[in-house]
Amino acid sequence: AQRVTQPEKLLSVFKGAPVELKCNYSYSGSPELFWYVQYSRQRLQLLLRHISRESIKGFTADLNKGETSFHLKKPFAQEEDSAMYYCALQYQGGSEKLVFGKGTKLTVNP
Amino acid sequence: GAGVSQSPRYKVAKRGQDVALRCDPISGHVSLFWYQQALGQGPEFLTYFQNEAQLDKSGLPSDRFFAERPEGSVSTLKIQRTQQEDSAVYLCASSLAQGTQYFGPGTRLTVL
Repeated sequence: AQRVTQPEKLLSVFKGAPVELKCNYSYSGSPELFWYVQYSRQRLQLLLRHISRESIKGFTADLNKGETSFHLKKPFAQEEDSAMYYCALQYQGGSEKLVFGKGTKLTVNP
Repeated sequence: GAGVSQSPRYKVAKRGQDVALRCDPISGHVSLFWYQQALGQGPEFLTYFQNEAQLDKSGLPSDRFFAERPEGSVSTLKIQRTQQEDSAVYLCASSLAQGTQYFGPGTRLTVL
């Protein structure tokens, strides 16, 4: 079955420190992978998707098919990065549904 | 332009009542999705439409859940005979075909 695992429920770092939010997936095909973010009292929004290879708000994510991972990284965390982060997988060529992980709550301390 | 909107934003129902949740997608978006998000969990897929066709309803948890999108625009998620375990935030998202999914603010359903 398709599954997305985010092993850390909570992650706390200091401002200016590097941050990595882990995401592993289980899928037999070639998935499309996403990171969604939800800031306090805001709706869920797309942060980045792997096919676009963009860097959004300083965040990057690399798809590692060998390790079936799609970790989200930022070299210098900012306080405004504090939010819930969800990794999600979408099938290729079939249902367009997203399969989400349980999320990681990132807190960036001053 | 306007994003995805959902109504009501909050709904309290007594166990056994029927509820209807509405989603207005972004104009022109052919795909519409419903997700259920329980407290402390990630969103879980319920069903999705392409225009008026319901292409995947594999995530609907029981036959008490029913969704429709009769004219390919607005969608309604109906839950009959609500149970306490139905308490959750119900999220709607819309997209162009195979495009990025844009989410609404959600409807928080509490079943007493």
